[in-house]
Amino acid sequence: DVKVTQSSRYLVKRTGEKVFLECVQDMDHENMFWYRQDPGLGLRLIYFSYDVKMKEKGDIPEGYSVSREKKERFSLILESASTNQTSMYLCASKDRSEKTGELFFGEGSRLTVL
Amino acid sequence: EDKVVQSPLSLVVHEGDTVTLNCSYEVTNFRSLLWYKQEKKAPTFLFMLTSSGIEKKSGRLSSILDKKELFSILNITATQTGDSAIYLCAVLTWSGNKLVFGAGTILRVKS
Repeated sequence: DVKVTQSSRYLVKRTGEKVFLECVQDMDHENMFWYRQDPGLGLRLIYFSYDVKMKEKGDIPEGYSVSREKKERFSLILESASTNQTSMYLCASKDRSEKTGELFFGEGSRLTVL
Repeated sequence: EDKVVQSPLSLVVHEGDTVTLNCSYEVTNFRSLLWYKQEKKAPTFLFMLTSSGIEKKSGRLSSILDKKELFSILNITATQTGDSAIYLCAVLTWSGNKLVFGAGTILRVKS
């Protein structure tokens, strides 16, 4: 079974702090994604990566950056956290050749910025 | 801009009821439509639909796609409290390697 692991399930940070959210997948997937999920807005794509050191902006990249130094690990970085970044963050991965588009999700990281 | 709209946003039913969840889309270069169920944790995959009119079925859940009218429905018959979850609809296009999600439908099944 594919496993996508997000290192922190719950975080509380203060405005202005730097925040790292880590995601690791164990199925050698090329594609990895970071979404945020907010009530009434669904999942919105922040960034995605289709290979090591490659990244592309999603729909809402402002205030975020990412790092993909190894194939299995995709990190989301909030350089200076703000209260409007309080949200649930979901990491996902997908095999490049897999035709259906099915994503495998981690369990989510709930971030609260005070 | 690609768009996926789900309705209703939330509903409450009693055990044994049948529910129909709707998903409409406006995207460029449609490839497939996926349904996920999300309880307290990670979304889990339910169905993938690519062709119109072919029903996908798994136990009490079924789904169908209409590519002419650009929508899909997810049916749940004889609902149980364990069906309580957020149901997410997402569309994959040929022009990108990412899914566009709807806002989700929050289903609560009361015993």
